[in-house]
Amino acid sequence: AQTVTQSQPEMSVQEAETVTLSCTYDTSESDYYLFWYKQPPSRQMILVIRQEAYKQQNATENRFSVNFQKAAKSFSLKISDSQLGDAAMYFCAYRSGAEEATDSWGKLQFGAGTQVVVTP
Amino acid sequence: AAGVIQSPRHLIKEKRETATLKCYPIPRHDTVYWYQQGPGQDPQFLISFYEKMQSDKGSIPDRFSAQQFSDYHSELNMSSLELGDSALYFCASSSQGGLTDTQYFGPGTRLTVL
Repeated sequence: AQTVTQSQPEMSVQEAETVTLSCTYDTSESDYYLFWYKQPPSRQMILVIRQEAYKQQNATENRFSVNFQKAAKSFSLKISDSQLGDAAMYFCAYRSGAEEATDSWGKLQFGAGTQVVVTP
Repeated sequence: AAGVIQSPRHLIKEKRETATLKCYPIPRHDTVYWYQQGPGQDPQFLISFYEKMQSDKGSIPDRFSAQQFSDYHSELNMSSLELGDSALYFCASSSQGGLTDTQYFGPGTRLTVL
């Protein structure tokens, strides 16, 4: 079974500054996907960014980028130019890929989450 | 763009009662997932359906059952409710059996058991 670890319960950042959230995972699979989801106070789960394990290039979505280190099984999220609207709980999630999903069929395994606090 | 719809958004039940949660996936999505998120916890996978067949099962109590209908909407039926069932229940949908596509979440149903 795969495990996802987020070791930072809370991170604080000032507006316009940069914050990096860490995520490590444990797996024996070679085909998988990694995600960052954001959960603001509304509790809606919002996809931030997605990374395919077979891609070496790190994914980027506007102010959000990842540092994917496959050998180290690390998947950190960098939020640049932080805004008040970025304040939320951020979850790292793992999903088996098509070649590995013999018994998981795409379900997401989440980490415990990191609360991001943005100060003016 | 159309999103995942869940109803009701809020539900209050007494212990031992029954609850039914509904999920309407994004159009043309063929896979539905149910997750349970307790207070201060991460979402936990309950069950999933692909093309109206159960595709995977997580730590779902025997008191819960679910199905996906011909129009791809799904219902989660919860019986003999317990206080510990109070949680936020998410439905997510994806296409291609969920094996390559991203899961998109609905707004959740907040269930409170008194």
